[in-house]
Amino acid sequence: AQSVTQLDSHVSVSEGTPVLLRCNYSSSYSPSLFWYVQHPNKGLQLLLKYTSAATLVKGINGFEAEFKKSETSFHLTKPSAHMSDAAEYFCVVRTTGFQKLVFGTGTRLLVSP
Amino acid sequence: GAVVSQHPSWVICKSGTSVKIECRSLDFQATTMFWYRQFPKQSLMLMATSNEGSKATYEQGVEKDKFLINHASLTLSTLTVTSAHPEDSSFYICSATPGGLSYEQYFGPGTRLTVT
Repeated sequence: AQSVTQLDSHVSVSEGTPVLLRCNYSSSYSPSLFWYVQHPNKGLQLLLKYTSAATLVKGINGFEAEFKKSETSFHLTKPSAHMSDAAEYFCVVRTTGFQKLVFGTGTRLLVSP
Repeated sequence: GAVVSQHPSWVICKSGTSVKIECRSLDFQATTMFWYRQFPKQSLMLMATSNEGSKATYEQGVEKDKFLINHASLTLSTLTVTSAHPEDSSFYICSATPGGLSYEQYFGPGTRLTVT
């Protein structure tokens, strides 16, 4: 069965510094992977998705993620954090043959001035 | 485009009563809708998958008689929490997909349920 593991429950950065949110996946097949962001009391927003095309995926708001099969990783990065990036981030895998999404446990990003 | 709404955004009800949550796809027809539950500071857990005009498919451990799901049209699905208890207090989130090859899910803003 497909699953994702988010390695950090909390990540703290200063505004203007790089962001790295780590995610490892487990899948018997080539997975479809996503990163979603959830701001407090708001719905989930899709940041980016990997569906077996280019391994470096660019998303919204300057975020990008690289699919590394050898490391079974799909880490989310951003060169320079902004205060508005403070939120909960979920790494998600879609199950093969189905439409179901399996969510990681989430990483809370804290951005300090 | 691809907007999903939920109503109400928050609701407080007394223990033993039932509450209905609506999920609507505003600008597309949703062949499939999903209902998730999110406890505070935790991840989303899929509760059930519903296809228009057919019975919902519940995930293991989810009581189908307690969480009634109706997907009567291509733009509306409802989740009814029957005989609610304080342990049902949670954040309920729906998503919808127009189907086709992308299978992308569009999420609603969520409904916070508090049972007193």
